[in-house]
Amino acid sequence: KNEVEQSPQNLTAQEGEFITINCSYSVGISALHWLQQHPGGGIVSLFMLSSGKKKHGRLIATINIQEKHSSLHITASHPRDSAVYICAVNYSGGGADGLTFGKGTHLIIQP
Amino acid sequence: AAGVIQSPRHLIKEKRETATLKCYPIPRHDTVYWYQQGPGQDPQFLISFYEKMQSDKGSIPDRFSAQQFSDYHSELNMSSLELGDSALYFCASSYRTVQETQYFGPGTRLLVL
Repeated sequence: KNEVEQSPQNLTAQEGEFITINCSYSVGISALHWLQQHPGGGIVSLFMLSSGKKKHGRLIATINIQEKHSSLHITASHPRDSAVYICAVNYSGGGADGLTFGKGTHLIIQP
Repeated sequence: AAGVIQSPRHLIKEKRETATLKCYPIPRHDTVYWYQQGPGQDPQFLISFYEKMQSDKGSIPDRFSAQQFSDYHSELNMSSLELGDSALYFCASSYRTVQETQYFGPGTRLLVL
C-alpha cells in the first residue's frame, strides 16, 4: 500500500522556536506537496517539490528523493502558524494525479 | 486573485436523498480534483478531470458520479446518501496535471441526517 507517514502527529512549541515536520513515503513519487489546513477547514498549498529545496518567507521545504523523505521547517514561529500541516504526494504513474495525504501534524504555537 | 469556488458551502440532506456539489476552478485551470475529508480524517482523493475527461479515479463510491463541463466547472453528484457520506468535500484545480500546484476551494460541508 502506498503510504505517507508524518511525524510528529502533534507539536506544541513556544513562539519563536524553530519547527520541523517530517514526511516519508513508501514508493516513487512525481511530486510532494505541503499543505496547511486551518480549523475552519480551508486548505492552502504551501509548496510543491520534486527535488531540492524551496523557501517562502519563514517556511522552508526540502526533499530527498533517494531517502523518500521531506521536511517542512518554520523559522521564528508565530501563533498564527498554528494549523494542521499535511504532506501529500503524487505517486508516479500514468494519470496518477490524485494526491495521497498523510494524517497531518497538528501544530500549536503558544505566545 | 480569483480562487476556486465551491457551492454550496453547507448542505444538509436526509438519508437516501441526492446532492449535487459544484466546483468552479481558477480561470484557465483545466484540471479539477475532488476530495472527501471525513470528521477527523485525512482527505481522500475521489476523482479528477482534465480537459473534460476523467483523468484519475480514487475511492469514489459507485453511488457518486462527476463530470467536467465545457466551461471547466465540475459537479459531483451523490445519490442514495448515507450517514457516512457526511464530510467536507474539497475541490481543487490546477493547470495541467501532476506537476502543477493544486489550489483548493473552501470546501462544501455535507451533513447527512
